[in-house]
Amino acid sequence: KAGVTQTPRYLIKTRGQQVTLSCSPISGHRSVSWYQQTPGQGLQFLFEYFSETQRNKGNFPGRFSGRQFSNSRSEMNVSTLELGDSALYLCASSSGDGTEAFFGQGTRLTVV
Amino acid sequence: GIQVEQSPPDLILQEGANSTLRCNFSDSVNNLQWFHQNPWGQLINLFYIPSGTKQNGRLSATTVATERYSLLYISSSQTTDSGVYFCAVADYTGANSKLTFGKGITLSVRP
Repeated sequence: KAGVTQTPRYLIKTRGQQVTLSCSPISGHRSVSWYQQTPGQGLQFLFEYFSETQRNKGNFPGRFSGRQFSNSRSEMNVSTLELGDSALYLCASSSGDGTEAFFGQGTRLTVV
Repeated sequence: GIQVEQSPPDLILQEGANSTLRCNFSDSVNNLQWFHQNPWGQLINLFYIPSGTKQNGRLSATTVATERYSLLYISSSQTTDSGVYFCAVADYTGANSKLTFGKGITLSVRP
């Protein structure tokens, strides 16, 4: 079956702009989680959506938001981009009951 | 929140050698996974192992949940094993899908 698909793979944005990233989970999975990876902070949890509801949230400012659609696809939005938002953003797909999570290839965001 | 520590932070091996990577965690977990991050950044699933022992080819893993640690064994290492290995856990908070990651172990296998 198809894996987790993230688009786009690469993005370059200017400070102050906003960006939207997309994640399509594995068919049948209802949970999508987002993570940010930077060299300094490692892999950090942003938030989780399950059945179109945000179920869990990490310690990130309100500029980071997300949503999930009825087909379980999820989008993540970052507004008013800062240089420090440059990172690899990964999404994870799972059934949502604590079982195995599978990751997409990631979106590498560069803010200039 | 739950803490995850991986050791050693860096490991250099000659091709053919064996290695053991360790993951300690601070609380009871309902999910523990080992990943290998490829050069393009994708996290490749190695094991889903909240308890017990599993093997997959040259790799095997053991989690002793009562003592809060997991071990990843790599035997007869190959240069393609190089990369960063992450351990990630989810604690017992309902149907919790939030994973907390360790800082990773950078493995370099030399020919």
